[in-house]
This record gives sequence, structure tokens and C-alpha cells, in this order.
Amino acid sequence: AQKITQTQPGMFVQKKEAVTLDCTYDTSDPSYGLFWYKQPSSGEMIFLIYQGSYDQQNATEGRYSLNFQKARKSANLVISASQLGDSAMYFCAMRENIQGAQKLVFGQGTRLTINP
Amino acid sequence: DTGVSQDPRHKITKRGQNVTFRCDPISEHNRLYWYRQTLGQGPEFLTYFQNEAQLEKSRLLSDRFSAERPKGSFSTLEIQRTEQGDSAMYLCASSLGGTIPYFGPGTRLTVT
Repeated sequence: AQKITQTQPGMFVQKKEAVTLDCTYDTSDPSYGLFWYKQPSSGEMIFLIYQGSYDQQNATEGRYSLNFQKARKSANLVISASQLGDSAMYFCAMRENIQGAQKLVFGQGTRLTINP
Repeated sequence: DTGVSQDPRHKITKRGQNVTFRCDPISEHNRLYWYRQTLGQGPEFLTYFQNEAQLEKSRLLSDRFSAERPKGSFSTLEIQRTEQGDSAMYLCASSLGGTIPYFGPGTRLTVT
């Protein structure tokens, strides 16, 4: 079963607009972590933001915030005031703690294009 | 504070040849992970080390693949008898315990 679903293959937004990238997940583990990474065309995966399942508040890191809705099992990434440099692939990932598992499970990604 | 480094960045090889990739984690990170990413997909977990011990291996890691981390620092991933289906980006990540995994730039393998 797909554990991480990113339903938007591509998103196009104008510079300075805010954009929301969707991510839904599936797990039976009450303890898990959710991650967002950015992958520019160079290929490197750049960590953006993390949300733990027990965190009471939504995570924020500069222009990035995570809209965490636990009951709906969604962890959408919000980028405010988008910039041309935000154009990249964005991946949502989950790490479960079942039996000490340490791997990240990634979604298919969303390609974000910022128009000037 | 240097990040995760990987070498080589690109590798072109002929089918049937062996290849070896190296990953140097962030200093003092005790966990090291290998992932594979094919075109248009998210990364898929291959294996992970805590110090020098290989603690988890994916079913994707066939017997042609072997990974080592002999002194708990750098790691190598070897693919024997490469096949065209091995063409992918191989990503390495490291973390301090169960904290955030940070990725390297990846090694792009092309098997002709």
C-alpha cells in the first residue's frame, strides 16, 4: 500500500505567491515523523522541514511551514512568497518507528515551477 | 561544517562491469543510509548502518549489491555485474542517531 501520496505531479505559481504542496500518508504507528525535502536539478536532496507526530504545533522554518492535520493524515508544505530559486522537485517522506525502522519512505514528488 | 560527500558524482559503465561508490557522512554522524532514485520517482531505501553495523537491508538490495562501513566512518556501495536496470541516482544520507537525515549530492550511474 502506498504510504506517502503526493497527488500533484506539477505546480505552477507566480513569483511572490504562496503555494501549498499536498502530502497524505498512511500508517498505523502512533509515533512517526514527516519530512519535506527539495531536490533541484542538480540532484541533491535538501532538507526543509520536519514534523513529529506528537508535536503540538505546526512546524515552521523561515518561508516554509507544514500544515499538519493528524486526523486527516495530511502534512502539506506551504511556501510563502515564492522565489525563482524555489523551482525544484519536492518530496514528502515519512519515517515510522515500528520495530525501530529507520528508513524514510518517499512520495512520488511534486515538480514546482515558479514563473517570473 | 562539511556536508555529506559522495564520489564519483557521475559514473558511466558497461553492462557486466563492477562499480563502487563512496560516501563520506557528516563528521560524527553515526548513522548512514543508502537510497536509490530512478527517473521520475522518489528515493527508495536500500540499506542503513549504525556505526559499522549494517542493521537493515531492503529487498531491493539483490545479491549483486554489497555495502560496507568498515570503520564506522565512510561507506562504500558496490554493484557487481551491472545491468541496465541499475541505472539510477544513488543517494547517501547520514544522521546523528534518529535525528534529521542529511543527503549528499548523489552518484548518477549510467549502465550502457
